[in-house]
Amino acid sequence: SYEVTQAPSVSVSPGQTARISCSGDALPKQYAHWYQQKPGQAPVVVIYKDSERPSGIPERFSGSSSGTTVTLTITGVQPEDEADYYCQSADSSGTYVVFGGGTKLTVL
Amino acid sequence: QVQLVQSGAEVKQPGASVKVSCKASGYTFTGYYIHWLRQAPGQGLEWLGWIKPRSGATKDAQKFQGRVTMTRDTSITTAYMELSRLRTDDTAVYYCARDSCSGDCYSGSFDYWGQGTLVTVSS
Repeated sequence: SYEVTQAPSVSVSPGQTARISCSGDALPKQYAHWYQQKPGQAPVVVIYKDSERPSGIPERFSGSSSGTTVTLTITGVQPEDEADYYCQSADSSGTYVVFGGGTKLTVL
Repeated sequence: QVQLVQSGAEVKQPGASVKVSCKASGYTFTGYYIHWLRQAPGQGLEWLGWIKPRSGATKDAQKFQGRVTMTRDTSITTAYMELSRLRTDDTAVYYCARDSCSGDCYSGSFDYWGQGTLVTVSS
């Protein structure tokens, strides 16, 4: 079955830029979406359709896409951004939803 | 405001079934697909499938075909997910989530989530 792949962890200092990538063969065809999840809470979408930011999400969150890789960028990381981040997309037919394994962002 | 409120925690024995409900409010229930997802302890997110509330049509993830049943009751704006033949590795928090696409269309992304329902499978 189709998979998308993320690095398990990323660490940055406050104020730095964090980049979390996700790769998958169908990403040129299918949108990617990014969710932030803090312990004990439901996920929250921070980027949808590769680069769209929902209302209420800080401008420091942005998304981009290039070929088979999509990237979530957090510019000027804040301590409250420490969380798990999940990439989500679909298989090439668009039928089945897939998630990456998640990336734990640690703010040092 | 949009809210998805799920039923409470469940403890089940292996081989049993569990049915989780998701009460929607604050929007037109029949205008948005509802997805079901789960997260095992310390693990990532996993998609189970969706239901289209207007018609009752469903699509299951291949892994759960034959074990998951999604239904809805439009009169009380509630969606249900039933998982049968439970195994210990079905222990997880189960979420419902609303599809982001408005107007009875499908996007495959999720803008609102329920609070989660812990299902524990243990003998």
